[in-house]
Amino acid sequence: AQKVTQAQTEISVVEKEDVTLDCVYETRDTTYYLFWYKQPPSGELVFLIRRNSFDEQNEISGRYSWNFQKSTSSFNFTITASQVVDSAVYFCALRAQMDSSYKLIFGSGTRLLVRP
Amino acid sequence: GAVVSQHPSWVICKSGTSVKIECRSLDFQATTMFWYRQFPKQSLMLMATSNEGSKATYEQGVEKDKFLINHASLTLSTLTVTSAHPEDSSFYICSADGREGYQETQYFGPGTRLLVL
Repeated sequence: AQKVTQAQTEISVVEKEDVTLDCVYETRDTTYYLFWYKQPPSGELVFLIRRNSFDEQNEISGRYSWNFQKSTSSFNFTITASQVVDSAVYFCALRAQMDSSYKLIFGSGTRLLVRP
Repeated sequence: GAVVSQHPSWVICKSGTSVKIECRSLDFQATTMFWYRQFPKQSLMLMATSNEGSKATYEQGVEKDKFLINHASLTLSTLTVTSAHPEDSSFYICSADGREGYQETQYFGPGTRLLVL
């Protein structure tokens, strides 16, 4: 199966707290890509990160960090010292082969609310 | 990075009319474009894959006669919602396959909100 699961539907934190958004994927491909996107209320998807399946190095970008673990098929996203502007829906996605073409398979999304 | 535009960003129409949404890759050529639909508080659902110069491939459950897709050039794909009804009201997002360095990636448009009265 080609599938992405984001078990957390909604998370609410107080500003400055750290928060981790979980993403678990299933794929039969040996080479694949994983993505995280942010969707603010305006609706436009904002690209955050792409990770190749052969690169398990964790990445940090400012307050954002990602933990990719092939052994557990997880690609979790942590926001450190959250801010109100981080409030949005976050989607994890898998680029995998389906029906002879490559498609993006999205998780159901996690709605993050950061309260002041 | 590459830019994908959509037009219009908002459209309100009466039931029974047809609506055309344009998706353009502004600074790159895209042989493949994708159309997604997103209902409130739900995830993006792929509707169809559009390949330049050939027929679109629709996902299961998507009516190809209702959602007409044309990909006439390497920078333009259009989605026409024919005889729109209130249940077609949704957020429609297109994306285009491009290349960043040696890696293929999808670039997303800003979306089109359709409200059918």
